[in-house]
Amino acid sequence: NAGVTQTPKFQVLKTGQSMTLQCAQDMNHNSMYWYRQDPGMGLRLIYYSASEGTTDKGEVPNGYNVSRLNKREFSLRLESAAPSQTSVYFCASSEYTQDSLLHFGNGTRLTVT
Amino acid sequence: GNSVTQMEGPVTLSEEAFLTINCTYTATGYPSLFWYVQYPGEGLQLLLKATKADDKGSNKGFEATYRKETTSFHLEKGSVQVSDSAVYFCALVKRGAQKLVFGQGTRLTINP
Repeated sequence: NAGVTQTPKFQVLKTGQSMTLQCAQDMNHNSMYWYRQDPGMGLRLIYYSASEGTTDKGEVPNGYNVSRLNKREFSLRLESAAPSQTSVYFCASSEYTQDSLLHFGNGTRLTVT
Repeated sequence: GNSVTQMEGPVTLSEEAFLTINCTYTATGYPSLFWYVQYPGEGLQLLLKATKADDKGSNKGFEATYRKETTSFHLEKGSVQVSDSAVYFCALVKRGAQKLVFGQGTRLTINP
């Protein structure tokens, strides 16, 4: 059972570079989410997609963009990386937005130098 | 706004010790409450949940009781094992809201 798959697992960027984090789920879930995890701050929601074709800002959207490519895939793009974006990024999905049983990927550790 | 506060870690215990990780919340109305666990190198997994006051969630020997009077949802386990070493997150979702609110996480290490 693949569940939620994120790529890459690790990435190092220089300030100003761009990259896209990929996420795919095979559970036919409607809702998908991007979180970042920083020491002492728990998980903070960056963007979410309640259903295919919709996206909404979360708690910390600045510096990020997202695309819900289809029902399975939800990508996160950093157009011009900054050191403050050094973090561990998690993608998650759930059957419905109000269903809080989230299924998480294993994370992408991003370092911006 | 809604928020969750957990006891600061890290917490280090010996195997078979009793565990309590404190969690208190601030929310209007009657949120649902959750504990998620993150094992090393993995994403978060739901450990247990409670959806109304006085409900007790339980799983894998862990328990937490939804206490409305003290706005708390403390996680307990009677006898911990080395395999319980992980980061534990308390979280809430308010009815009608769309997103979970997480606490900052508590790192637990169990020594043999």
